Amino acid sequence: DAGVIQSPRHEVTEMGQEVTLRCKPISGHDYLFWYRQTMMRGLELLIYFNNNVPIDDSGMPEDRFSAKMPNASFSTLKIQPSEPRDSAVYFCASSTPGYEQYFGPGTRLTVT
Amino acid sequence: AQKITQTQPGMFVQEKEAVTLDCTYDTSDPSYGLFWYKQPSSGEMIFLIYQGSYDQQNATEGRYSLNFQKARKSANLVISASQLGDSAMYFCAMRPEGGATNKLIFGTGTLLAVQP
Repeated sequence: DAGVIQSPRHEVTEMGQEVTLRCKPISGHDYLFWYRQTMMRGLELLIYFNNNVPIDDSGMPEDRFSAKMPNASFSTLKIQPSEPRDSAVYFCASSTPGYEQYFGPGTRLTVT
Repeated sequence: AQKITQTQPGMFVQEKEAVTLDCTYDTSDPSYGLFWYKQPSSGEMIFLIYQGSYDQQNATEGRYSLNFQKARKSANLVISASQLGDSAMYFCAMRPEGGATNKLIFGTGTLLAVQP
């Protein structure tokens, strides 16, 4: 298996623009997680899905953030409008119940 | 409150020596899992080792072992025979609630530098 795939790997955008991050989980994994990593706040869980259904979005910072999982092999995290404080590395991870999470390579987002 | 604490922001170790990275946790759940991940400078998160709260023996994976002391709520990672490639950030994580949600709570990490 190719592992968790994320795109783009790097994104530079201007404040106010819409940003869409994409994730393809490992085939057969029921759970999908979106994390954000910054120096100040460390690794934060934003939202996770089970069988394509959002289960817990309590980590989503505000209404500018939204996430979808239209099918078992694809998820998006959208920020609209983006702000400089959204600059971070965004990770997607997937897992099967009871097992470790496998992380994607991350998307480094810079908002200027 | 469920929490993971890693009190060592940074550690140094000589190549070929063993090193222990500390991790304590707080949970009232009777069943939980503990994980260690490695994040090298390239940025990816790599799963290293897992310990279940009901496991009788400490987990081992090659040069990695987990020193699990349930009464003290600690899950320290021991790396034996350190190598230069072990230089990385190490995160301890807990999966609470018996794994019902599968989500992880991460600590703040320990930056390990292996010196030649």
